[in-house]
This record gives sequence, C-alpha cells and structure tokens, in this order.
Amino acid sequence: GENVEQHPSTLSVQEGDSAVIKCTYSDSASNYFPWYKQELGKRPQLIIDIRSNVGEKKDQRIAVTLNKTAKHFSLHITETQPEDSAVYFCASRGAGSYQLTFGKGTKLSVIP
Amino acid sequence: DAGVIQSPRHEVTEMGQEVTLRCKPISGHDYLFWYRQTMMRGLELLIYFNNNVPIDDSGMPEDRFSAKMPNASFSTLKIQPSEPRDSAVYFCASSLRVASGVHNEQFFGPGTRLTVL
Repeated sequence: GENVEQHPSTLSVQEGDSAVIKCTYSDSASNYFPWYKQELGKRPQLIIDIRSNVGEKKDQRIAVTLNKTAKHFSLHITETQPEDSAVYFCASRGAGSYQLTFGKGTKLSVIP
Repeated sequence: DAGVIQSPRHEVTEMGQEVTLRCKPISGHDYLFWYRQTMMRGLELLIYFNNNVPIDDSGMPEDRFSAKMPNASFSTLKIQPSEPRDSAVYFCASSLRVASGVHNEQFFGPGTRLTVL
C-alpha cells in the first residue's frame, strides 16, 4: 500500500519567517495531495490541496509544490504568524482509491 | 449544515467494557471514514463506507473492532471488549464523490477521546 513520509516532525520558526514541510509518497499512481492543519484539541481541517496535473498551487500565505518525478510535495508558509502554530499533516490518495494515507505530522511552533 | 457530528466527545471506560462511538456524516455525502489518532501511530484509517456499504476494513486492528452504517446518516464504531491500548482519539470524516475518482475534501468530525482504564 501507499506509504507517506513527512519531515520534519517538529519545526520552530520566528514570527515572520517562512516554514517548509516536506512529504514523500511511494505510489506513483497517487494523484491527490491534501494538507490538513490540526490545532490542539481540534479536528484536522483542509488548508490546501493539489492534484497531480498541477505543479504548484498558492493561497495567500500558503503554497504547495508537487514533483511527480521525485514523488515528493511540500507545504510552504510565508510570513508566519503565531496562529499558524499547529500540527500539519500531508496525505496522498492513489488513482482509483477513495482513501487518504496520512504522514505522521509536523508540529509547527511560531515564536512571537 | 452542522458538519460531521460525533458522540460522545469523551468516553472513559474500564477494560473489558463495550464502547460504541457514533457518527452522523454531512447530509448528502456518500463516503464515510473512521480514523484513529495516537501520538505513536498518527492518523490511521480503520474502515470506510460508500453508500452505507463497507469497502475497506483492512485497517481495523482486531476482531474486537466492528463498524456499521445502517443508513446514510448514521454510523457506529464498536469496541468489544475494550483494552487500555485502544485509548485514542477516534475521528469520523465524510466526503462527496463528484466525478469518477474525484472527491471533495474529507470533512472531519470533532472526534471522540476514548480512555480505557
């Protein structure tokens, strides 16, 4: 089955700096890659996603890039703010599949 | 819509007891997923349903776990008998298939925090 590796497991940045979280996946047929943000004690919520026919997608301060050849995708957060502090999960979904495989998560701390 | 609804929000029980977790998906969604979240293993898919039919239960850890979806608006996850290692947060999520192989996002419920003593 699909395997998703996520790095780093923890990340601390100063407010205003950028944060980058990277994921790799094993199934070359995977075609959908969402990112979820989970605040402490809350449910995971989708913040951005990308499909395999697109190399990059941006939404205000967050962006996701996808390299299908290398089977990796990344989340970029610019101008970080304290409210960005949370655990971020990447995930992938294989072609013809309806289930997501999640990475282990990255705990992002933004230091004011 | 109120979103995905789960009950109870917290459950504390003793080892050996039966535990039933409940989920109401978003109205109109045709896929329902049960996940378990722990620090050690992260978010694990246990089982998912399409139009009330279980499609893949390969993530269910043991025969002590069972899930049902008697209708489009209700699903249960049952653990019998419960063990301390079942302590985790259990999330239910739902999504809508909009075209072949294309889904809207998975919407998660608030989760049930289960503690088995």
